[in-house]
Amino acid sequence: SAVISQKPSRDICQRGTSLTIQCQVDSQVTMMFWYRQQPGQSLTLIATANQGSEATYESGFVIDKFPISRPNLTFSTLTVSNMSPEDSSIYLCSVDNGQGYTGELFFGEGSRLTVL
Amino acid sequence: GESVGLHLPTLSVQEGDNSIINCAYSNSASDYFIWYKQESGKGPQFIIDIRSNMDKRQGQRVTVLLNKTVKHLSLQIAATQPGDSAVYFCAENNYGQNFVFGPGTRLSVLP
Repeated sequence: SAVISQKPSRDICQRGTSLTIQCQVDSQVTMMFWYRQQPGQSLTLIATANQGSEATYESGFVIDKFPISRPNLTFSTLTVSNMSPEDSSIYLCSVDNGQGYTGELFFGEGSRLTVL
Repeated sequence: GESVGLHLPTLSVQEGDNSIINCAYSNSASDYFIWYKQESGKGPQFIIDIRSNMDKRQGQRVTVLLNKTVKHLSLQIAATQPGDSAVYFCAENNYGQNFVFGPGTRLSVLP
């Protein structure tokens, strides 16, 4: 299984600021995903981070708000822009097991953001 | 679109008893299902998976049952231990589409 490291693990942010979350994987992976988990709720897919091309965003999420980079097969960043208290969530990086969508997903420990 | 839900949002069980966590899904075309465990402050951890060509799969102390007729998935934990206390999510996948996660069930193990 892949080992996924996320930074920061938690942060407290001011309204209107932006924060970039980093995700590092210990092996090359094809698929990397970013999820949001709002307090007490389930996981919602934000976007698929594609290496060498623009990320693919899910309905309700836009690049201006959540810009994503994927410079190589082991690293990705998610920026939460112009934050408001509604952005207070856990943001999770995830990778697949190399079998594409038909295999399990591995998750990082998450980045817990609190926006004041 | 498809959705995945749970019958019980919280479940309390006595230590040593068996636990059953349920999940209903609405997309009959889903072909792959996973149960995840999420402990407080941690990311989801894979427990067990099952494909649509099976109706039962067993792991260590855990069993997943799939009833495609009524679109129901369950996770059975035998001899529940304090370390099993967590939120459990089911997730479904439809032939290469993105995973859809259920709302989660919090399992509390009572001493």
